[in-house]
Amino acid sequence: EVQLVQSEAEVKKPGESLRISCTASGYFFSTSFIGWVRQVPGKGLEWMGIIFPADSDTRYGPSFQGHVAISADKSSSTAYLHFHSLKASDIAIYYCVTLDGQTAAALYWGRGTLVTVSS
Amino acid sequence: EIVLTQSPDFQSVAPKETVTITCRASQSVASSLHWYQQKPNQSPKLLIKDASQSISGVPSRFRGSGSGTDFTLTITSLEAEDAAAYYCHQTSSLPHSFGQGTKLEI
Repeated sequence: EVQLVQSEAEVKKPGESLRISCTASGYFFSTSFIGWVRQVPGKGLEWMGIIFPADSDTRYGPSFQGHVAISADKSSSTAYLHFHSLKASDIAIYYCVTLDGQTAAALYWGRGTLVTVSS
Repeated sequence: EIVLTQSPDFQSVAPKETVTITCRASQSVASSLHWYQQKPNQSPKLLIKDASQSISGVPSRFRGSGSGTDFTLTITSLEAEDAAAYYCHQTSSLPHSFGQGTKLEI
């Protein structure tokens, strides 16, 4: 059974950095794309980016390039989403997803990590 | 970047009726278009992949169709549990993108 276990909710101050995690099990982590999706409370889904853990090939959505970094640790089957300098506009739920190998559809979803930014 | 536009943004329908949600792409995505359901306070769930391919465990009441730039998600025999937000998602080209969502009230 595929499972994506995400780190707990975080409360941070503006300007701080943050790394949230997603630990995968039940499939071969290294050779499956894993991605991140943002959802601002009450709003829709936004595609942030994906990574292929085997070679760390990473692609970002234009709204997120330069503001976040996606990485993966093959030894622990964990993907990370790193925020360089948090802003109030980063308040959202962040979902990690595994992509279907043939279609790139988001096949499995984590439960989400709520990030709150407040001074 | 490919923009996906869903319609309607909101629809209220009675149980047992049929509803159709459309998704239009700003350029062709071939059949690389997928549909998700998100119930309140839950993670989204994949309903249909590649425009019309069913997903194991998803009721057959959910059907997808279309190709190129125009796609539809049809839900027949609506049930109260179908109340949710529905999103389309293209993976034809990077960056991938989602539609703005359609909220369905039963």
